[in-house]
Amino acid sequence: EIVLTQSPATLSLSPGERATLSCRASQSVSSFLAWYQQKPGQAPRLLIYDASNRATGIPARFSGSGSGTDFTLTISSLEPEDFAVYYCQQRSNWRTFGQGTKVEIK
Amino acid sequence: QVQLVESGGALVKPGGSLRLSCEASGFTFSDHYMSWIRQAPGKGLEWVSYISGRTGNIYYADSVKGRFTISRDNAKNSLYLQMNSLRAEDTAVYYCAREYGSGIVDFWGQGTLVTVSS
Repeated sequence: EIVLTQSPATLSLSPGERATLSCRASQSVSSFLAWYQQKPGQAPRLLIYDASNRATGIPARFSGSGSGTDFTLTISSLEPEDFAVYYCQQRSNWRTFGQGTKVEIK
Repeated sequence: QVQLVESGGALVKPGGSLRLSCEASGFTFSDHYMSWIRQAPGKGLEWVSYISGRTGNIYYADSVKGRFTISRDNAKNSLYLQMNSLRAEDTAVYYCAREYGSGIVDFWGQGTLVTVSS
């Protein structure tokens, strides 16, 4: 099973700041990596698929990069509604999620 | 618009059984892989099972293999999860999920809570 390790576990930032989230795979997943956002009491929402493609309706401040084993989700300027938990997920071999990164208000 | 509505979650004793259902609308159901994904209270996401649109290809997480059975009825636009031999560690919110292509979840249901406890 491919293990995805996200870092940091928690990111404390202020609105307007840049957020950089990392996801590392235990073996190559090519570009088959997605990012989801989850707010308390809600289902996750797809942000990015295949490493760098924004899903429908996702603002341009969200961007994804990487391939192979190292991936990054960047939020260029945090809006109040962006404080949430973010998960990466691979579909190269079965499907697994990372453990999540919580972006909290500093 | 796409809608996924789960039902069937309940409190059940260890060793018991439960059947979850997901009614889909707003898209051509048979065109899409569908999945069940769960989230234990306060924990992360775990893919439980998926089923292809028409060919019926099915995969399960090791944690549920042999105990859970996924199925679909394309005529009824419905997805199911039969859960047997339930354990305390199966306690979670279970989400029905539509896949874009294979392995990318573009729509999620609101979730249904399964609690396994004596």
